[in-house]
Amino acid sequence: KAGVTQTPRYLIKTRGQQVTLSCSPISGHRSVSWYQQTPGQGLQFLFEYFSETQRNKGNFPGRFSGRQFSNSRSEMNVSTLELGDSALYLCASSARQGNYGYTFGSGTRLTVV
Amino acid sequence: AQSVTQLDSQVPVFEEAPVELRCNYSSSVSVYLFWYVQYPNQGLQLLLKYLSGSTLVESINGFEAEFNKSQTSFHLRKPSVHISDTAEYFCAVSNAGGSYIPTFGRGTSLIVHP
Repeated sequence: KAGVTQTPRYLIKTRGQQVTLSCSPISGHRSVSWYQQTPGQGLQFLFEYFSETQRNKGNFPGRFSGRQFSNSRSEMNVSTLELGDSALYLCASSARQGNYGYTFGSGTRLTVV
Repeated sequence: AQSVTQLDSQVPVFEEAPVELRCNYSSSVSVYLFWYVQYPNQGLQLLLKYLSGSTLVESINGFEAEFNKSQTSFHLRKPSVHISDTAEYFCAVSNAGGSYIPTFGRGTSLIVHP
């Protein structure tokens, strides 16, 4: 079956702009989590959605938001981009709520200039 | 809160040699433990996990890890590595109940030389 699909793969944005990233989980998976990966901070948890509801949220400013649709696809949005938002954004899905092991997408590489 | 320490940022090794990637964790409650592998320009792939039961867990490509509760460790081992094992390896820990969001280590870069 198809894996976790993230679009776009690469993105270049200017400071102050906003961006929307998309994630399609594995078919049948209802939980989607988002992570930010940077060389300096490693993998940091952004938020988790299950059945269209945000279940958990990491320690990121309100500029970072997300949502999940009824088909389990998820989007995350970053407004008023800063240079420090440059990172690899990873989406992970799992069949049920709880951590029993995630399947990650290949990520969206966001560069803010 | 839990934490994970991967003691080596980089591990160079020759092909067909054994390797051990170290992972120690800190948690006040029961834990689930994971190893993920990340190849260049890709996301993370689940390599193996410990949820309960046997403390020795194995992956399909020859890696194994042992949960040692007394030493709070979950080291990853392979008796003979291949060039294709060159990648970044991440250890992760989460609470077995309650707040289950995993905490990831900073990663260990395994570099296999011919």
